[in-house]
Amino acid sequence: TQLLEQSPQFLSIQEGENLTVYCNSSSVFSSLQWYRQEPGEGPVLLVTVVTGGEVKKLKRLTFQFGDARKDSSLHITAAQPGDTGLYLCAAFETSGSRLTFGEGTQLTVNP
Amino acid sequence: SAVISQKPSRDICQRGTSLTIQCQVDSQVTMMFWYRQQPGQSLTLIATANQGSEATYESGFVIDKFPISRPNLTFSTLTVSNMSPEDSSIYLCGSSEGSGNTIYFGEGSWLTVV
Repeated sequence: TQLLEQSPQFLSIQEGENLTVYCNSSSVFSSLQWYRQEPGEGPVLLVTVVTGGEVKKLKRLTFQFGDARKDSSLHITAAQPGDTGLYLCAAFETSGSRLTFGEGTQLTVNP
Repeated sequence: SAVISQKPSRDICQRGTSLTIQCQVDSQVTMMFWYRQQPGQSLTLIATANQGSEATYESGFVIDKFPISRPNLTFSTLTVSNMSPEDSSIYLCGSSEGSGNTIYFGEGSWLTVV
């Protein structure tokens, strides 16, 4: 099993602050995905990163895939209360059939 | 992306009983998955539901406890058998077009066993 380690596990910040969530592994992945989950909902895919060093932006969210494709980060600029939720990184194991999730980062943005 | 509907969305169950969760996808999909999630925590794969054959279970999950059906390419069920309070969790159905493809999730079924 390829373990995905996310940090921090919990994050509580004020509206307008910036933050970064990390997802690390000792394994190399062909791609890595970030999901966000709000209470009472299923996880919703935010982005898939495929190429080492790739940077993708989704409004105030910036996703980066490490050069060696072993790690990824999610940076949120000027966080808003609507960004509150559980952020999960996920990657397929080598066989490609099993999607493994990180432990998740519970983000709370206070008004 | 596929739209996935799960029923029930929430239920309170007596210990010792069994509950079947239904998952309906709005299009034919190759793969369907069942995950379990404790509130605020990550997702753990229970099994991959295979159309026309038995489900493939992950370590720690067995067919007697979590029987799964996949009668066609748009539908699957997960039964949680002989429930105990430890089975209280969110059960999520996911689907994808194939191995290594993006998995889309339903809204989950929140079970509380009392």
